Amino acid sequence: EVQLVQSGAEVKKPGESVKISCKSSGYSFSNYWIGWVRQMPGKGLECMGIIYPGDSDTRYSPSFQGHITISADKSISTAYLQWSSLKASDTAMYYCARSGNFWGKFDYWGLGTLVTVSS
Amino acid sequence: EIVMTQSPATLSVSPGERATLSCRASQSISSKLAWYQQKPGQAPRVLIDGASTRATGIPGRFSGSGSGTEFTLTISSLQSEDFAVYYCQQYNYWPQTFGQGTKVEIK
Repeated sequence: EVQLVQSGAEVKKPGESVKISCKSSGYSFSNYWIGWVRQMPGKGLECMGIIYPGDSDTRYSPSFQGHITISADKSISTAYLQWSSLKASDTAMYYCARSGNFWGKFDYWGLGTLVTVSS
Repeated sequence: EIVMTQSPATLSVSPGERATLSCRASQSISSKLAWYQQKPGQAPRVLIDGASTRATGIPGRFSGSGSGTEFTLTISSLQSEDFAVYYCQQYNYWPQTFGQGTKVEIK
């Protein structure tokens, strides 16, 4: 059974850093893309970026480039999303999701990690 | 960036009735379109891929059509579990982009 298990909720202050994770199981982690999708409170879905763990090929949406870092550790089948300096506007639910190819749908999703940034 | 525009924003439908949701792309995306369903407090779930192919386990009452810039998701006979928010997503261009969503509510 394919599963994407995300790390727990985070509460941070502006300017702080955070790294959230997405652990995959039930399939070959290296052979599928993992994307990160933001959902701000009461809003829609935004694709932030995507990584291919097999060779760490990573693409960022222009809207998020420079503000986030996406990475993956094949040895533990885990993808990461991190910020070095959070803003209040980063408060959102963050989902990881699997895709069979770069130009494809997201077929399995994690349950989401809520990141709250408040002073 | 491709802009995906969904209409209507909210659709009020009685159980058993048909629901028709629209999605328009700002330029042609061929058939590289997916539809997702999201219920409150849950992650999205893929319903349709390639504009018209139902994902594994999706009931036959869900159907998708269209190509180029105009797409439609039809729910033939709404069940209680279908009241949710629906998003379209294009994956023909990077970055992949989603529509703003259509909320299907009970009339």
